[in-house]
Amino acid sequence: DTGVSQDPRHKITKRGQNVTFRCDPISEHNRLYWYRQTLGQGPEFLTYFQNEAQLEKSRLLSDRFSAERPKGSFSTLEIQRTEQGDSAMYLCASSPPWGSYGYTFGSGTRLTVV
Amino acid sequence: LAKTTQPISMDSYEGQEVNITCSHNNIATNDYITWYQQFPSQGPRFIIQGYKTKVTNEVASLFIPADRKSSTLSLPRVSLSDTAVYYCLVGDVDSNYQLIWGAGTKLIIKP
Repeated sequence: DTGVSQDPRHKITKRGQNVTFRCDPISEHNRLYWYRQTLGQGPEFLTYFQNEAQLEKSRLLSDRFSAERPKGSFSTLEIQRTEQGDSAMYLCASSPPWGSYGYTFGSGTRLTVV
Repeated sequence: LAKTTQPISMDSYEGQEVNITCSHNNIATNDYITWYQQFPSQGPRFIIQGYKTKVTNEVASLFIPADRKSSTLSLPRVSLSDTAVYYCLVGDVDSNYQLIWGAGTKLIIKP
């Protein structure tokens, strides 16, 4: 297992378009998290899955954002009708079920909305 | 607001020991202290986690005084590749994901 994988690494889209990002966590990790990070700031929590259940959503996750983890393995984050303010790094992290000794993050997807 | 306060930036030189201190005056009984390292265009990487006294791994040491109101990340004999942003987080390990991350400490190592 090579860690948490995110695809694509970079995405440039026009304002108003929809985009979807994928995250493949470490296989034995049942917990999965999405974060957003803007330049010069730390990551901001978006949402949390335990297996296929979405247990927490931040108020940052507006109705244009939706996340899924249909089989408790990979996850997708979709942004509809993108806005320039959505430009950021979107990070996925995972952790094992036995409590956290820290999360393993992917390298992120850099979204630029033009 | 983040529950922690760290210096915005620090400079050091190759081969030196670097200590980054984090203040967390309102730490709760169940809270652990976790440090992450982040390089540009990469996700954060877990470095070390502790509850009290001292924790050491192959990368760093974490010193936590008895009152737990602060902690110090110690990086021995740094190299240029240790140039990164370092984040200190304080929270319950089961709900760490909700923590508010500050801007971290930008550490620059000079030759």
